[in-house]
Amino acid sequence: ETGVTQTPRHLVMGMTNKKSLKCEQHLGHNAMYWYKQSAKKPLELMFVYSLEERVENNSVPSRFSPECPNSSHLFLHLHTLQPEDSALYLCASSQDSSNQPQHFGDGTRLSIL
Amino acid sequence: LAKTTQPISMDSYEGQEVNITCSHNNIATNDYITWYQQFPSQGPRFIIQGYKTKVTNEVASLFIPADRKSSTLSLPRVSLSDTAVYYCLVGDTDSNYQLIWGAGTKLIIKP
Repeated sequence: ETGVTQTPRHLVMGMTNKKSLKCEQHLGHNAMYWYKQSAKKPLELMFVYSLEERVENNSVPSRFSPECPNSSHLFLHLHTLQPEDSALYLCASSQDSSNQPQHFGDGTRLSIL
Repeated sequence: LAKTTQPISMDSYEGQEVNITCSHNNIATNDYITWYQQFPSQGPRFIIQGYKTKVTNEVASLFIPADRKSSTLSLPRVSLSDTAVYYCLVGDTDSNYQLIWGAGTKLIIKP
């Protein structure tokens, strides 16, 4: 139990579907992150939120839309995805967005048909 | 941004001490060194973090020489459950979003 919960654990969707990934942290942290991990590739940072404000967006396509309604919840809204978007999507949190250890959830395995 | 270099894979046996070395030649003054462990189908787990000299916790030790251009993660008396991918990251104290994740070191522990 890492204190960071992601749902769903697995998701299969067509390219025209709209779905959302959810992340919840119970650690009282102020920073939250979305990462993408593709097979045989390093983790890629997608978005960073600090105190509910987006502080980093690493040139992620607009078909991925993050939302952080409060410091405990983070969403990733998905729309019109491509097959190459199939990957493990990981959420993490840390005390703040400085070099504090990150606590990761176990990810959502996303498959695009 | 400091880039790290680690061995792609390592093998060892149960009960042995395992040392994984990471090179980070262009580490900056403000950079910390952090190690994570990742099992298949799980997110990475924080192991240890340090700035210089030696840091020890209940699961590992981290050795950092004076020039800080490398660091060594030491796992004492490994077991089969230590089989995982280990990542070395170097990051600025002010920013967690400039970390560069490499391919990590796949450690396989044999009986």
